[in-house]
Amino acid sequence: AQSVAQPEDQVNVAEGNPLTVKCTYSVSGNPYLFWYVQYPNRGLQFLLKYITGDNLVKGSYGFEAEFNKSQTSFHLKKPSALVSDSALYFCAVRDPGWAAGNKLTFGGGTRVLVKP
Amino acid sequence: KAGVTQTPRYLIKTRGQQVTLSCSPISGHRSVSWYQQTPGQGLQFLFEYFSETQRNKGNFPGRFSGRQFSNSRSEMNVSTLELGDSALYLCASSLGDMSNQPQHFGDGTRLSIL
Repeated sequence: AQSVAQPEDQVNVAEGNPLTVKCTYSVSGNPYLFWYVQYPNRGLQFLLKYITGDNLVKGSYGFEAEFNKSQTSFHLKKPSALVSDSALYFCAVRDPGWAAGNKLTFGGGTRVLVKP
Repeated sequence: KAGVTQTPRYLIKTRGQQVTLSCSPISGHRSVSWYQQTPGQGLQFLFEYFSETQRNKGNFPGRFSGRQFSNSRSEMNVSTLELGDSALYLCASSLGDMSNQPQHFGDGTRLSIL
């Protein structure tokens, strides 16, 4: 069975500093990996994905993520955080096999607080 | 292009009642998935529908059911509501052709059970 772990419940960072949100996964085969962000009273908003290819993936709003197969990690990064980046971030994995369909398995989420 | 639309946004029900939630996917999307979000359990997959057929199902009791119509709109039904069913229910749509395209989420229906 596949699983995703986000080891930090909350990350605090000062505005303008680098932001990192950690994610590790466990899945058989080659996974599809995703990051989503959730603002209060809203659904999940897609940030970026890793399917194959370059290990460094660039996404929306200046976010990027680095896929590391040996460490089974997919950490989300942003070079310079903004107060508006304060939100709940979810890492998710999808089994690429047809039988799994589009089922996403999510990590527990990491709350990011960016202080001015 | 309109996003995923979920109705209603908020619902208050009492134990033992049943409820139906609606989801209209992005135009052209044939796959609709449902998720339950709670503070304790996080985001959990309920089921996925593709071309009016349930393609995958999570570990929820049979009180949770769904269906998809020929226009890809989907409904989710929960019968005999329990206090623990209080949650944000999220719907997500995608092309469903097993391409690498991401799922797009609606803003959810917040269900409160009294």
